[in-house]
Amino acid sequence: GAGVSQTPSNKVTEKGKYVELRCDPISGHTALYWYRQSLGQGPEFLIYFQGTGAADDSGLPNDRFFAVRPEGSVSTLKIQRTERGDSAVYLCASSQRLAGGNEQFFGPGTRLTVL
Amino acid sequence: GENVEQHPSTLSVQEGDSAVIKCTYSDSASNYFPWYKQELGKGPQLIIDIRSNVGEKKDQRIAVTLNKTAKHFSLHITETQPEDSAVYFCAAPPYNQGGKLIFGQGTELSVKP
Repeated sequence: GAGVSQTPSNKVTEKGKYVELRCDPISGHTALYWYRQSLGQGPEFLIYFQGTGAADDSGLPNDRFFAVRPEGSVSTLKIQRTERGDSAVYLCASSQRLAGGNEQFFGPGTRLTVL
Repeated sequence: GENVEQHPSTLSVQEGDSAVIKCTYSDSASNYFPWYKQELGKGPQLIIDIRSNVGEKKDQRIAVTLNKTAKHFSLHITETQPEDSAVYFCAAPPYNQGGKLIFGQGTELSVKP
């Protein structure tokens, strides 16, 4: 079946602009996670959703970052007033349910470059 | 909170040799330990995982061992092939925090033909 998909695959923007990154999880997966991966590093947790609600947003670096999942499926990560330090690969993962010990399947990521 | 340390950061082996990557974690209540393989330009791919009620799990050329007392787990790849070349990440979830994963820093494995 289809895996996790993310769009766009690449996004180049200018400092100060607003961007939206989209994630389509595996059908039927209720838990959705966002991670950020800088060059040469492991993914770092940002936020996760159980259904429509954000269960834990403790990884969001500041209030310029926001994510939604209005219908419990597709999620959008929104970044306001982008800064060069936001440049990274943004990864989305989904799992069947929100609990430890459940396999997370990752999408290919969106590479964000802020000029 | 959970902290995951991974080593080595780079590993070069000859085709056919074995490769071992090690990770330690800090949260003694963590109960799930996945390993991911990431190829250039792609997202991490789950290759094997282990739960805390077993000490070893094997899947063809890949095996993972877990020592809960010492809080470390290892990935073993036997009979390495050039297509095993990639970056490998270990991870662990902090206990009772919805399954979010804390990742190690990654190991870049190079298998030379």
